[in-house]
Amino acid sequence: VQLVETGGGLIQPGGSLTLSCAASGFTVSYNYMSWVRQAPGKGLEWVSVVYSSGTTRYADSVKGRFTISRDISENTLYLQMNSLRAEDTAVYYCARIHDYGHSDYWGQGTLVTVSS
Amino acid sequence: EIVMTQSPATLSVSPGERATLSCRASQSISSNLAWYQQKPGQAPRLLIYGASTRATGIPATFSGSGSGTEFTLTISSLQSEDFAVYYCQQYNNWPYTFGQGTKLEIK
Repeated sequence: VQLVETGGGLIQPGGSLTLSCAASGFTVSYNYMSWVRQAPGKGLEWVSVVYSSGTTRYADSVKGRFTISRDISENTLYLQMNSLRAEDTAVYYCARIHDYGHSDYWGQGTLVTVSS
Repeated sequence: EIVMTQSPATLSVSPGERATLSCRASQSISSNLAWYQQKPGQAPRLLIYGASTRATGIPATFSGSGSGTEFTLTISSLQSEDFAVYYCQQYNNWPYTFGQGTKLEIK
């Protein structure tokens, strides 16, 4: 099992960015998948989840601005981020959620920096 | 939202000694708790799930206990590679919240 995030970078406030998480060794659409972020020097913050059914949930801090999705043919998870703010600056991790609820596999993370 | 509170924020322990980390939930989460280890520049690594079940490949020096609102992670004999930040996470209710972390440092 492997998860590889890409798409991070420097973006101006108000801008948009899409993160990708390519999975191998398992099927993304059969699992719950989540995005978790970590601001510099801070703890972990859950951002969003997509269930195997396709249902999505978001943290209040990103609701209405971020969209989680997946591409079955590419076996890839995405996070579309709009109206970015300085406080969205963080390393973003994708993670697979085991049937029991814990996150058993994590990607290496991709850094998003929102700054002018 | 369930609030997870870890204590202490920093724990200084000598190699070979035992470390005990605590995690408290603001409401009962049964045994739906995981512990993760994170080293600088690395992704979190699953250690314990179901409050007490070690993940694959995790040595027996790591043990978890507790249920309801009070949980403990014990590292029985600290090795140099165990000094890191440890997070607890509840997965009883969305959002699946994390504690703020305990930094385990060398004394």
